[in-house]
Amino acid sequence: DADVTQTPRNRITKTGKRIMLECSQTKGHDRMYWYRQDPGLGLRLIYYSFDVKDINKGEISDGYSVSRQAQAKFSLSLESAIPNQTALYFCATSDPVAGTYEQYFGPGTRLTVT
Amino acid sequence: AQTVTQSQPEMSVQEAETVTLSCTYDTSESDYYLFWYKQPPSRQMILVIRQEAYKQQNATENRFSVNFQKAAKSFSLKISDSQLGDAAMYFCAYRTLHTDKLIFGTGTRLQVFP
Repeated sequence: DADVTQTPRNRITKTGKRIMLECSQTKGHDRMYWYRQDPGLGLRLIYYSFDVKDINKGEISDGYSVSRQAQAKFSLSLESAIPNQTALYFCATSDPVAGTYEQYFGPGTRLTVT
Repeated sequence: AQTVTQSQPEMSVQEAETVTLSCTYDTSESDYYLFWYKQPPSRQMILVIRQEAYKQQNATENRFSVNFQKAAKSFSLKISDSQLGDAAMYFCAYRTLHTDKLIFGTGTRLQVFP
């Protein structure tokens, strides 16, 4: 079983709809992240969380919100989706105690806003 | 602000040959980590190799090696004996020891021809 899972894997929604992307991990890591990938732009950080009570904005947080329901779960919400939020969204985790600073990625969610 | 630049949007290589992907970065920090991630058509982000800035020795993982030039702020990836399965997008990424954010380049698409 995958260590970092994302649901749904693909989603098409309409402008103005509220949508939630979910991320779960079995790695036991405290730190979790949400990234957005656009063609030609690489991955950009939306939000990150050091633990359940510590959530921080990344470089492109406008139009998004997050919820850290438990150590293992980190959800990303689009309150009112717009077409330029069409992108590939990744969740990731890391364990600073390990000392490698590596981030482990989920399989991604492709979101299309029409 | 830290930035990561990948100046080659696309590269191609023949099977069994060697190819080098370029990456430069800009930072005022002295301690940091550098990574190369591979993204095949499956969309999964897979760590290929990591380099700690304080280590002078270049990292190597099987057919993958890096040429880390700290003074020049350059971090290129060499793939030896290229295989069809190496075809993917490759992202260079940077992270300081003091923040928890990965900063990605825009990626290089590698094609491998038989």
